[in-house]
Amino acid sequence: GEDVEQSLFLSVREGDSSVINCTYTDSSSTYLYWYKQEPGAGLQLLTYIFSNMDMKQDQRLTVLLNKKDKHLSLRIADTQTGDSAIYFCAERTKGYGGSQGNLIFGKGTKLSVKP
Amino acid sequence: DAGVIQSPRHEVTEMGQEVTLRCKPISGHDYLFWYRQTMMRGLELLIYFNNNVPIDDSGMPEDRFSAKMPNASFSTLKIQPSEPRDSAVYFCASSLAGVGYNEQFFGPGTRLTVL
Repeated sequence: GEDVEQSLFLSVREGDSSVINCTYTDSSSTYLYWYKQEPGAGLQLLTYIFSNMDMKQDQRLTVLLNKKDKHLSLRIADTQTGDSAIYFCAERTKGYGGSQGNLIFGKGTKLSVKP
Repeated sequence: DAGVIQSPRHEVTEMGQEVTLRCKPISGHDYLFWYRQTMMRGLELLIYFNNNVPIDDSGMPEDRFSAKMPNASFSTLKIQPSEPRDSAVYFCASSLAGVGYNEQFFGPGTRLTVL
């Protein structure tokens, strides 16, 4: 079945770049996502990438997609203490009978940013 | 819009009691998802609805769990009888139908503790 794997922890210094990696299994996924979860809150969409793209940039965020290796990464430039959170990678599955499908989430990577 | 609303935010109950979690999706959204988050298993999809109809309930752990969506603006997740291993944060999310990346909007979650 579908599975999404990511490392559980990442620690960086303020001002450095953070790179969070993810591997997924469903080669038919149309969209891949990065969600962010701050303490005590629900998940919030950070960015996404369509499967026919290999890179997407949005301000400090860069998403790289390697479809051949089924590898997705999120780079945060100039990481700030406010970026400390859990980051979830997710892939979209095919739906049943025309429905949208659902998301398969990784376990999340806890990013700690040290001042 | 107020976003996805969940109640209660915190629930503490004793083993064997019935627990009902509530969710109000964003107005106009066609899809509603229930997730459970634990340290051990991460974020798991329990069930999702499209236009109030359950599409996939394969993630529901066992018969003690049931979910309903009587109308487009309300859903419940019920656990009867509850057990200590049900302790988790339960999230509700909603999204629009249609082509595109279909962002899922998450509620703040209900933290359930079963003693």
